[in-house]
Amino acid sequence: DTVLTQSPALAVSPGERVSISCRASEGVTSYMHWYQQNPGQQPRLLIYKTSNLASGVPARFSGSGSGTDFTLTIDPVEADDTATYFCQQSWNDPNTFGAGTKLELK
Amino acid sequence: EVQLVESGGGLVQPGRSMKLSCAASGFTFSYYHMAWVRQAPTKGLEWVASISIGGDDTYYRDSVKGRFTISRDNAKSTLYLQMDSLRSEDTATYYCASRPPTMGITFGWFTYWGQGTLVTVSS
Repeated sequence: DTVLTQSPALAVSPGERVSISCRASEGVTSYMHWYQQNPGQQPRLLIYKTSNLASGVPARFSGSGSGTDFTLTIDPVEADDTATYFCQQSWNDPNTFGAGTKLELK
Repeated sequence: EVQLVESGGGLVQPGRSMKLSCAASGFTFSYYHMAWVRQAPTKGLEWVASISIGGDDTYYRDSVKGRFTISRDNAKSTLYLQMDSLRSEDTATYYCASRPPTMGITFGWFTYWGQGTLVTVSS
């Protein structure tokens, strides 16, 4: 299976820019997607196919990357961005998710 | 407003069966591929199974193949997951999710998600 590696946690101050990385163990072309999950809630799609903003998602969120290295950027970070962020690839079988990056605000 | 509402979870003994349902509203259910994704307590997300728009194409992760069956009733806008021979490692919150119709059932992202239903497999 394709392993997606994410940093466990990040801390950032409101108003700053944060980049959350996701590295795949093999190439996934552009089929990398990002989700936000708050405690006790379902995941929410943020970015699909590397850089496409999902409906209703603020333009503060953006995605980039290709091949094996991908990044979700939030700029500027706001207080309610505190959440866990997961990447997911759908190029290789089976679809896999990263373990998640917990974003905390200072 | 798009809504996916799962039901049918609960406590079940190892080796027994359980059937989950997911009722869809607020979008044209019959236009989307659908899937089940699970999340073990305090763990990450894991894709479980996918089904095509018409229900004629299904796909499963290896660990549930032969034990779980995904199906859908487009007339009722409802997705199902029949789970047999349940194991302790199947304990998780199960989410139903939609996938875009414009590509194969394994290539898309998960656009809409339900709130999840908890399945606990324990004696």
